[in-house]
Amino acid sequence: ILNVEQSPQSLHVQEGDSTNFTCSFPSSNFYALHWYRWETAKSPEALFVMTLNGDEKKKGRISATLNTKEGYSYLYIKGSQPEDSATYLCAFLGAGGYQKVTFGTGTKLQVIP
Amino acid sequence: DAMVIQNPRYQVTQFGKPVTLSCSQTLNHNVMYWYQQKSSQAPKLLFHYYDKDFNNEADTPDNFQSRRPNTSFCFLDIRSPGLGDAAMYLCATSGPEQGYNEQFFGPGTRLTVL
Repeated sequence: ILNVEQSPQSLHVQEGDSTNFTCSFPSSNFYALHWYRWETAKSPEALFVMTLNGDEKKKGRISATLNTKEGYSYLYIKGSQPEDSATYLCAFLGAGGYQKVTFGTGTKLQVIP
Repeated sequence: DAMVIQNPRYQVTQFGKPVTLSCSQTLNHNVMYWYQQKSSQAPKLLFHYYDKDFNNEADTPDNFQSRRPNTSFCFLDIRSPGLGDAAMYLCATSGPEQGYNEQFFGPGTRLTVL
């Protein structure tokens, strides 16, 4: 059983604050790491697909980094807005193909106006 | 827009009464997945189809079955729901265009068992 952990479990921040959270995963047998944003009553939406050690990806105010050697990824949100409120899930994809996806439990972010 | 649709969004059933959840996709992806997510837990893969090939996870209870009559549709059948089966059920797809490296999700069906 693979261990994919996310911290913190939940987070409340004020509008305008920057925040970050962590996904840790096995450092062996790595293929890819995905970040998803899941807003209430909507479909989880892919934010980033990260495959290379040292990858940094950015989409607007959200960015992510990847360290496959030590088995962690950070997601950063700069200047949080209420519309960023969602659960952020990471998913570890192990070598062996499309079926080997293990999700973390998610970080639930609440941005207070 | 190409998408993954799940029906119904909310399903209430009685203990022991069979229930079927539905997923359809317009992405023409050949892989479809069913996940179960209980409160505060990670989504857990139940099974997936690669085309018509069914792949069950080793720890998926026999109570859970699936059908995929064609590329677009996939069903999750719970033969005798127990209280512990109350959860969010997510359907997802993936395809060769993204190297199967990204999954596209439906909005989920929240199942309540009374």
